[in-house]
Parts: sequence; C-alpha cells; structure tokens
Amino acid sequence: GENVEQHPSTLSVQEGDSAVIKCTYSDSASNYFPWYKQELGKRPQLIIDIRSNVGEKKDQRIAVTLNKTAKHFSLHITETQPEDSAVYFCAEYTGGFKTIFGAGTRLFVKA
Amino acid sequence: EPEVTQTPSHQVTQMGQEVILRCVPISNHLYFYWYRQILGQKVEFLVSFYNNEISEKSEIFDDQFSVERPDGSNFTLKIRSTKLEDSAMYFCASSSSGGWGYTQYFGPGTRLTVL
Repeated sequence: GENVEQHPSTLSVQEGDSAVIKCTYSDSASNYFPWYKQELGKRPQLIIDIRSNVGEKKDQRIAVTLNKTAKHFSLHITETQPEDSAVYFCAEYTGGFKTIFGAGTRLFVKA
Repeated sequence: EPEVTQTPSHQVTQMGQEVILRCVPISNHLYFYWYRQILGQKVEFLVSFYNNEISEKSEIFDDQFSVERPDGSNFTLKIRSTKLEDSAMYFCASSSSGGWGYTQYFGPGTRLTVL
C-alpha cells in the first residue's frame, strides 16, 4: 500500500551544521513531493517541493533531492539556526488527490 | 496574503455527539482537503473534494464522516457520532489545482477533544 518512510525520527545538530532528512516512498506513480515544517501547535507550512521531472531544487539554505529510480528523496538544511527547530514532514502526492505524509523528524538545533 | 481559516479553534464534545468543523478555503481555490493529526503523530489524509464531490478518501474516512460545501465559501467536515479516538487536530487545506505540482495551503486547525 501507500507508505512514506522517514528517517531519522529525531535529529540534533549544532547551530551552523547541516541537517539531512531522508524519505522513501512506495508508489511509483507519485509525481510531487512536498516538505512541510510544523512548529509546536501550528499548522504545517510548505517549505520546499520537488516534482518528479527534476532531480534537485534549492531555495537559499534548503535543498531537496529526488532519486526516482530508488524512490527516495531528501531534505538538506545548511547553516542551521535555532529557529529551524521544528518537526519536518516529507510527503508524496499519489496523483489521486491524495497526499501521504511521513512520520516526521523532530529537529533540534542547539545554539 | 489570503489564508485558509477554520472554526472553532477548539471543540470539546461528549462521545456519541455530532460535530461539524468549518473551514473557509482560499477564495479562488478549487480543491479542498481534510487531514487529522493525533497529538505527537503524523498528519493523516482523510478526504479530498473537488467539483462538489469526493475525489479520494482514506480508510479513516468511514461512514461516520461526511464533507460538504454548503455554499460558495465554506467547506465542512461532519463526524456523526464521535468516539474517543476521534480526538485530534483537524486541518483543512485548499489548492488551486489538483494536478501536477499543486501546493496545498493549510488552515490553523481545529483541536477536537472527545470526552
């Protein structure tokens, strides 16, 4: 069935270091992969997304890579700051108007 | 910047009661969604809605759930007979397109507590 596996569940980094979160999906028909940041008690906020015809996308300190053959995609945050601390969710859009979320990664950035 | 809004922000109800959660999507959006998030867990898809009908629904969205767009602006989620396990944050979302590379915008959520 449809499933997105996300690792790690918790990630602690020192301010200024990089953080990498990885996801694997199962539906080969999926064509759109958004990443959301969720702060405590708040709504998920889209931070970056990638479509299946692109291998990499970058927006300032955030980048996402996609390997369609291996069915995995990753979020890279460089020069992390304390305000990057939040829960990050990867997701896949299966094309049937359905979005499947990963289990989330709790990122702690230590000052 | 236009935003998705939801009311109420917090709803407390007794088990077995009906609740209606309300959402006002972004005005020119055509696709609408409901998600739930049990405390500390992931966001789970419930249902998508387009052109006044359900496009897709998950296994969670059983006969106790229904959605409606009663007018040109509101989108509602009804739970007919609430259970304790329905306690969660419910997020509404909307998008301008349902196809290639759409972006969903989430509302602030309604926290439902079933006692």
